[in-house]
Amino acid sequence: SQTIHQWPATLVQPVGSPLSLECTVEGTSNPNLYWYRQAAGRGLQLLFYSVGIGQISSEVPQNLSASRPQDRQFILSSKKLLLSDSGFYLCAWSVGQNNEKLFFGSGTQLSVL
Amino acid sequence: QKEVEQNSGPLSVPEGAIASLNCTYSDRGSQSFFWYRQYSGKSPELIMFIYSNGDKEDGRFTAQLNKASQYVSLLIRDSQPSDSATYLCAVMNSGYSTLTFGKGTMLLVSP
Repeated sequence: SQTIHQWPATLVQPVGSPLSLECTVEGTSNPNLYWYRQAAGRGLQLLFYSVGIGQISSEVPQNLSASRPQDRQFILSSKKLLLSDSGFYLCAWSVGQNNEKLFFGSGTQLSVL
Repeated sequence: QKEVEQNSGPLSVPEGAIASLNCTYSDRGSQSFFWYRQYSGKSPELIMFIYSNGDKEDGRFTAQLNKASQYVSLLIRDSQPSDSATYLCAVMNSGYSTLTFGKGTMLLVSP
């Protein structure tokens, strides 16, 4: 069966520090992968999605970036964190005829202080 | 801009009652609709999906879709305190690329 691993569960970082969040998927090949952010009062916001190695689509312009160095690995990065980057970050993968069913990892609660 | 609207709640119902959660969407070309349940501090979990107009039942859950009115709902029968969570409505955008999520409705089921 397919599983998705995301770490760390919580992270406290100072403003201006770098960020690297990693997500890996097991039990499937060539999955569509996604990074979402959930901030208080704002709902789930799609940040990036990828349909294959090296293929990244950005939904929201910001100081974050994403990379997909391997088929089942998706990384979210920032060179310098802002206070506004605080939130609950969720990695997800999709299945279905049109890749419409999303399944989420356990998430990372990021606090930028 | 494609939008999905939900009442933020909280929606309070007594144990054993029917909880009715509603969602409207703006993209008339949307074809796939989803309900996720999210407990506090946890990630969303897919609980229902519906593609065709009408009702779809799965255990205590019923999803209802009316594409003409651009309206999706989720009914939870025999509500339990363990159903207390935030319910997110999600819509697959026309073109089958990504999901747009509503902000969610908080449901509180009192014993």
